[in-house]
Formats: sequence, structure tokens, C-alpha cells
Amino acid sequence: GQNIDQPTEMTATEGAIVQINCTYQTSGFNGLFWYQQHAGEAPTFLSYNVLDGLEEKGRFSSFLSRSKGYSYLLLKELQMKDSASYLCAVQDSNYQLIWGAGTKLIIKP
Amino acid sequence: IAGITQAPTSQILAAGRRMTLRCTQDMRHNAMYWYRQDLGLGLRLIHYSNTAGTTGKGEVPDGYSVSRANTDDFPLTLASAVPSQTSVYFCASSAGTGATGELFFGEGSRLTVL
Repeated sequence: GQNIDQPTEMTATEGAIVQINCTYQTSGFNGLFWYQQHAGEAPTFLSYNVLDGLEEKGRFSSFLSRSKGYSYLLLKELQMKDSASYLCAVQDSNYQLIWGAGTKLIIKP
Repeated sequence: IAGITQAPTSQILAAGRRMTLRCTQDMRHNAMYWYRQDLGLGLRLIHYSNTAGTTGKGEVPDGYSVSRANTDDFPLTLASAVPSQTSVYFCASSAGTGATGELFFGEGSRLTVL
């Protein structure tokens, strides 16, 4: 079966760095997405990785290792507004998105 | 209208009633999707449409139907609602797949079936 694993919840301190991991087992691979979802709101796109390596976008970076079936989202200089759920999703061989359950990130002052 | 609009934003429904959730996009995206999101679970795909005139079943299609008469509209119908269909429903669209597979979501429709 197809599976995406992420930690359920993480806590970090304002101004610090946090890494949210995502491991996947899917039927084929056509890219990995990270989305941010604030409570009561819709998910919004953060990043897309299809090749191995690190993609940096401001305070957020996303890393992919296809051989390990692994990705992480790195958030630097954490702000209170970064408190949200972070969703990992993989496009399989049919370009269907397989979603993880999301990681709820709590930022403390 | 900018992006994707869903209606209603919230609804309480008696079991056995018929309900249609509306979704309209103005981005001229070919692909549209309906997801449900339940606590502790990932987004689950109900139905999708790769282009106007075509639809397909997702992971959890039972009890739901969709139509795609044109590019902009993608309504989701619950023929006879049951309590297990209590959920938050998100409509989404994308320009394509792969690198253009970024999903744009509506604000969601919170449905409670009693």
C-alpha cells in the first residue's frame, strides 16, 4: 500500500529552527509537495521537490532524498504565525496525490 | 471572484437529505478535485476531474457524485447524507500535474450530518 508518515505534533520556540520529517512509500514518484494549513483555513502551497537536494525559499527550505523515500521541511527564525499544520504529499506514478496526516507545529514564545 | 469559491461555508443537515456543495474557479484550471478532511487523517480524495466533461473516482467515492459540465464548476452531491459524511470538504484545482500540480484550495465547507 501507499503510505506517508509524519510526526503528529511538534513544539518549537520562537526564533529557533525546526525540521519536520516526512517518509513515504508510494507506487512511483512524480514529486513531493509541502503545504501549510492554519487552523480553520485551507492548505496553501509551500514547496515542490522532484529532484534530490535542498530547495530554499526564504525562511523555509525543503529537502528530498528519493533513494531514502524521505523529505524534510526546515523552518528558520520561527515566528508565532508559523503555528500551523504542515502537510506532506507525494504524487505517485499516476500523478495522484497521496497525503500525510499532517504535523501540527506549536510555537512557544 | 478570485481563485476558488465554495458554498456553503457551513451546513447542518439531517441524515437522509440530499446536499450539493458548490465549487467555482476562475483560474481556467483543467483539473479539479474534491477532498474531505477529518481529524487525524490526511486529506482524502473523493472525486476528481482532469478536464471538463470527465470525472474519476478517488479514494473514498461512495455516497458522493460529481459533474463537470464546464471548466469553472465542479459540484459535489451527497444523494442521501449519513453521519459518517460529517467532515470538512475542500475543493481544489490545479493547472496540471508534476511541477504544475500545485493545488489551489477553496476555503472549505464544514458539513455536519445529524
